[in-house]
Amino acid sequence: NAGVTQTPKFRVLKTGQSMTLLCAQDMNHEYMYWYRQDPGMGLRLIHYSVGEGTTAKGEVPDGYNVSRLKKQNFLLGLESAAPSQTSVYFCASRPSAEAGGYNEQFFGPGTRLTVL
Amino acid sequence: AQSVAQPEDQVNVAEGNPLTVKCTYSVSGNPYLFWYVQYPNRGLQFLLKYITGDNLVKGSYGFEAEFNKSQTSFHLKKPSALVSDSALYFCAVRAGMDSSYKLIFGSGTRLLVRP
Repeated sequence: NAGVTQTPKFRVLKTGQSMTLLCAQDMNHEYMYWYRQDPGMGLRLIHYSVGEGTTAKGEVPDGYNVSRLKKQNFLLGLESAAPSQTSVYFCASRPSAEAGGYNEQFFGPGTRLTVL
Repeated sequence: AQSVAQPEDQVNVAEGNPLTVKCTYSVSGNPYLFWYVQYPNRGLQFLLKYITGDNLVKGSYGFEAEFNKSQTSFHLKKPSALVSDSALYFCAVRAGMDSSYKLIFGSGTRLLVRP
């Protein structure tokens, strides 16, 4: 299994450009998440999905859109990139909650995005 | 509101010495707590979790964490540090009681183990 993969690994955009980050998982996980990581701020949740065809807003959703048309893929879109969106973006997935418990999230390797 | 705090930006320890990385939390209801590690230019890797049961949880790479309900803490520990343990460590707590089970992460603690 490849686990969670992210495409691309690096990207440089100019202000106002658009792009889509792709996350794919081959573990048949129900839940998928997009985070951004900024120095000294830990990981902040952008959007998440609890199943194919569903999406929901996280802590910092402004300026981003997501889609989950297939269970294995979760796309993060930036319609008009801004310098404040310079960050490292991580995708994660996890299976449905086990009875009475909670399963850990599995993370991709990240995408480093710079917006000039 | 649920939150988690890691009071130390960096922890320095000599190889072979015990290490502790601190985490405190604030939740309503029973806490679900996690530790993740991030090596340079990599994604986060799961170390261990506390859901219920014994207060001392054992995880990967010889790490363990002690859950203390009265002090609302979940400190990460290792009896003997290795240089290869140098990395960024994140504590996380489950946010909310609904089925989406989001995690809230602390700001991270950089562990530096010197030879």
